[in-house]
Amino acid sequence: NAGVTQTPKFQVLKTGQSMTLQCAQDMNHNSMYWYRQDPGMGLRLIYYSASEGTTDKGEVPNGYNVSRLNKREFSLRLESAAPSQTSVYFCATNRDISGNTIYFGEGSWLTVV
Amino acid sequence: AQSVTQPDIHITVSEGASLELRCNYSYGATPYLFWYVQSPGQGLQLLLKYFSGDTLVQGIKGFEAEFKRSQSSFNLRKPSVHWSDAAEYFCAVGAGNYGQNFVFGPGTRLSVLP
Repeated sequence: NAGVTQTPKFQVLKTGQSMTLQCAQDMNHNSMYWYRQDPGMGLRLIYYSASEGTTDKGEVPNGYNVSRLNKREFSLRLESAAPSQTSVYFCATNRDISGNTIYFGEGSWLTVV
Repeated sequence: AQSVTQPDIHITVSEGASLELRCNYSYGATPYLFWYVQSPGQGLQLLLKYFSGDTLVQGIKGFEAEFKRSQSSFNLRKPSVHWSDAAEYFCAVGAGNYGQNFVFGPGTRLSVLP
């Protein structure tokens, strides 16, 4: 049981390049999330998807887009990467929007130069 | 809106010593409370959670936490630390019924001396 799988684990981008972070879960959870983690700031929510077919902005959505492809997959896209987007990105899932226990993937380390 | 503070950025303890990591939250009602642990290069693993009932909750790896409403605290404790406990620990608050209202503290990094 893989749980929450993120790809890629490491990526270096040049400013202005685009890329997509992929996330897949096999926990049959309805809700999925993308967070970024920066030193001293904990985790901040970028976007979330309460259920298949819906997405909503979190605390720091600017510069990102998401797609909830199906129940299992939730991708995060950087259209034009900026150095400020250098961070560790975590995908997470929750049984449903009221399940109240979040489970995390192992993270994707992104550096924008 | 809810908030979480973890007053200690970095704590160092000797192996075998007891540990207490502090967490204070701000929220108008009784929140859902969590502790997660993150080992270097890894994702966050749930240690324990409090939803209601007994204010002393037991988690994995020998950790426990106590919810104190009067102090708005949810401190994490372990009676005897092992070298493998060195990691970063995050306290989180999940307010209401919506997962999007999870708020994480800034984290406390734990170092363990042999």
